Amino acid sequence: KQEVTQIPAALSVPEGENLVLNCSFTDSAIYNLQWFRQDPGKGLTSLLLIQSSQREQTSGRLNASLDKSSGRSTLYIAASQPGDSATYLCAVRRGSGSARQLTFGSGTQLTVLP
Amino acid sequence: DGGITQSPKYLFRKEGQNVTLSCEQNLNHDAMYWYRQDPGQGLRLIYYSQIVNDFQKGDIAEGYSVSREKKESFPLTVTSAQKNPTAFYLCASSHWTGDSNQPQHFGDGTRLSIL
Repeated sequence: KQEVTQIPAALSVPEGENLVLNCSFTDSAIYNLQWFRQDPGKGLTSLLLIQSSQREQTSGRLNASLDKSSGRSTLYIAASQPGDSATYLCAVRRGSGSARQLTFGSGTQLTVLP
Repeated sequence: DGGITQSPKYLFRKEGQNVTLSCEQNLNHDAMYWYRQDPGQGLRLIYYSQIVNDFQKGDIAEGYSVSREKKESFPLTVTSAQKNPTAFYLCASSHWTGDSNQPQHFGDGTRLSIL
């Protein structure tokens, strides 16, 4: 059974710092990995999707990497801003079965202090 | 604007009562999903539907029911059999093609509480 872990559960940094969020998964047979942002009381916004054949994806100040063999992904946020404060979740799409469902981690709650 | 609309935003349930959460999308997506999110936890899949008039159980389907009579709509009923229904419920949709890399788009959620 696929399990996804995100460490740390919470992170607080001063504005302007570069930071890394971690995601690990137990089964390397995945189709893709997605990073989402969730603001309090809101739904999820997709940030980056990395296909299983890719090593990284970039969007603005965000860079996500994927190492399938070690079961790890990182989300790098450059020059953090208070507006980046949110919960960040990673999810892997299962590699077997017709459903190709997402398995989510429990998230990292990020606070960027002005 | 295209998107997913969930209603109501807040919902309260009495003991022994069934309640229905609404999810509508105008993205012309084939697939729709219902997730449950508990505090400090990730999302868990309740039910999903790949096509109209067809749906499949997810990991935690007990105590829930769904229908998919229209492509745009995928309502979720939380029945009295669900003993711990207090949670944040999220609906999502996506294209369903041979390409498994279609991202899921999410609504803003419904928070269900027990009276």
